[in-house]
Amino acid sequence: SQQGEEDPQALSIQEGENATMNCSYKTSINNLQWYRQNSGRGLVHLILIRSNEREKHSGRLRVTLDTSKKSSSLLITAARAADTASYFCATDAPESSGDKLTFGTGTRLAVRP
Amino acid sequence: DVKVTQSSRYLVKRTGEKVFLECVQDMDHENMFWYRQDPGLGLRLIYFSYDVKMKEKGDIPEGYSVSREKKERFSLILESASTNQTSMYLCASSFGGDGTTEAFFGQGTRLTVV
Repeated sequence: SQQGEEDPQALSIQEGENATMNCSYKTSINNLQWYRQNSGRGLVHLILIRSNEREKHSGRLRVTLDTSKKSSSLLITAARAADTASYFCATDAPESSGDKLTFGTGTRLAVRP
Repeated sequence: DVKVTQSSRYLVKRTGEKVFLECVQDMDHENMFWYRQDPGLGLRLIYFSYDVKMKEKGDIPEGYSVSREKKERFSLILESASTNQTSMYLCASSFGGDGTTEAFFGQGTRLTVV
């Protein structure tokens, strides 16, 4: 079953603008992670936020987590053309074995030069 | 750097063939995963393994099996390939623990079944 659903499905912005992507999930979680995928390649980990954290920063990335609403957002500030990629959230449930990650459907971000 | 290597980037197989997708990681990770990725459906977990010879079904295990005889290698087997198994297959590994570690992905295998 799909745990995470990203919104919007696709986003197109101008270089220098901010990009915000949202993720909603259905069950309780240990942690939520965000990954990036360049076209036709594997995924690369961006940032992890624990269930007891509300906000986390890493460079131009800002992630928020609202466990009461079961949602998270990823903000990329001052986007660059090189940020063009698909972005996925991933969650793991407390009862899951083997740190099983469940991914959402992703947001395709296009940054126009 | 952690490296997860999938044996092929592109593969074309015929319907009914037995297909092996191989994945090797070099960081002594406990956990290994196989996902398939289809447009509009995101990544769906097929099987995962949290130890040698241990495996658990994911969300879509039908038509697939796996093998983990050594810690570094996790194989996905399509017993009798069908056209609806045409997809991008992604292998991943993670250290193991309480879920606070990131997953490392291979470059993906794009499988076409004709």
